Amino acid sequence: GAGVSQTPSNKVTEKGKYVELRCDPISGHTALYWYRQSLGQGPEFLIYFQGTGAADDSGLPNDRFFAVRPEGSVSTLKIQRTERGDSAVYLCASSLIGAGSYNEQFFGPGTRLTVL
Amino acid sequence: AQTVTQSQPEMSVQEAETVTLSCTYDTSESDYYLFWYKQPPSRQMILVIRQEAYKQQNATENRFSVNFQKAAKSFSLKISDSQLGDAAMYFCAYRGVYGNKLVFGAGTILRVKS
Repeated sequence: GAGVSQTPSNKVTEKGKYVELRCDPISGHTALYWYRQSLGQGPEFLIYFQGTGAADDSGLPNDRFFAVRPEGSVSTLKIQRTERGDSAVYLCASSLIGAGSYNEQFFGPGTRLTVL
Repeated sequence: AQTVTQSQPEMSVQEAETVTLSCTYDTSESDYYLFWYKQPPSRQMILVIRQEAYKQQNATENRFSVNFQKAAKSFSLKISDSQLGDAAMYFCAYRGVYGNKLVFGAGTILRVKS
C-alpha cells in the first residue's frame, strides 16, 4: 500500500509569509506525528495527534506554529509570519495506534521549507 | 527529559567490512524502546532495528545488530559486510513505553568506500 506522503516536497517562501504543509498518513493509521529537522541535526518532535485531537503539542516552538487534523486523516502544519530560523525539513510520520504500546512510526519524505 | 547522544559525526568503512556506530542515552524511565533509523539523501527515514529495554537479548536484523548495555545506557549499531547502499545518515532514537514521541540523536554520516 501507499506510504506517508507529504506535499509540497519543497517550499520556498519569504520572511513574514504564511505557509501550509500537508501530510497524508497511511490509511487506517490513527496516530500522526510532526517533526522538524534542522540542517545537520536529528528530527525534533513538534506535535502528536491521536485521531482528530492534538494529544501532545509540547514541541511546537511558539504560537506561530499550528497543526490540524480535522477528519483524523490528513494533517496540515501551518506556520504564520515565517522567519529564517523556520527553514528546515518538516517530517511527518504515522503509526497504527499511538502511545502505550509499541507501534512503528512510518515516515514521509518530508517537506524542505526555505525562508528567504 | 530524555536525551540521545551520538558522538561520531562521521564514519567511513570499506565495502564488505564491519563498522560500529555509537549511541548513548539518558533517561530515568525503566522501560523504553531504542531504535536505529537510516536516512538516505531521499530524506525518507527508514527503521533499521529496534530494541525493547526489558529484553536482555540484543536485536539482530540480517547484517545489522545492536549491542545494548542497559546499565551503561549504551546502544551501538554494528553493520556487517557493509554495502554501498548502506551509505546514509544514521540516527539513534529513544521512545518511552508510554510515550509517543521519538527523541533522536544528532546523527552519524556513514560513508562506504568501494
